[in-house]
Amino acid sequence: GAGVSQSPSNKVTEKGKDVELRCDPISGHTALYWYRQSLGQGLEFLIYFQGNSAPDKSGLPSDRFSAERTGGSVSTLTIQRTQQEDSAVYLCASSTGGGGGELFFGEGSRLTVL
Amino acid sequence: KQEVTQIPAALSVPEGENLVLNCSFTDSAIYNLQWFRQDPGKGLTSLLLIQSSQREQTSGRLNASLDKSSGRSTLYIAASQPGDSATYLCAVRRDTGNQFYFGTGTSLTVIP
Repeated sequence: GAGVSQSPSNKVTEKGKDVELRCDPISGHTALYWYRQSLGQGLEFLIYFQGNSAPDKSGLPSDRFSAERTGGSVSTLTIQRTQQEDSAVYLCASSTGGGGGELFFGEGSRLTVL
Repeated sequence: KQEVTQIPAALSVPEGENLVLNCSFTDSAIYNLQWFRQDPGKGLTSLLLIQSSQREQTSGRLNASLDKSSGRSTLYIAASQPGDSATYLCAVRRDTGNQFYFGTGTSLTVIP
């Protein structure tokens, strides 16, 4: 596609449920990032992929959060046993090369945990 | 750790005015710096990318400068328009590691 695509755009779930958020990066972009943006807060780094490997998972806030990337393309961020503090917009971005190129973002997935 | 600060947090100007947005960072060992705009409820749109070896980049009415040694970047917007109203964020990538560190943004309102 022409840009980074994320789905769903909105997700409302009940506390304790698992959710999956999907990111389809720009074709040919080897680097993929997940960020979280909470209301009134800055962007919080979650995880970085280079190809299918994740050399930097340092931003994942707890072991309830996991992410994978298959075929060097689509990535899925999974949040298990969701909590109300997980409510935020989850943003995916991709870039060329080793991650130092221009960063392009998707429109985000807004997660609301009731 | 890299700390990125953007001042002011909010700015309101009349249409047609030239303006400058500021971004400062604590660690001058950067790989590049990127400016974005974010409209309400939307993702981030890339405006300009400056590599660490560059001093400035221009795109249309936008000009971004970089002074690595002082840890500062500015985004200059010429002849502002109401459509420029958005939140502007800067992001810095250190020359080690993979993260981009974001400022909290400047919310710009251009009054017709």
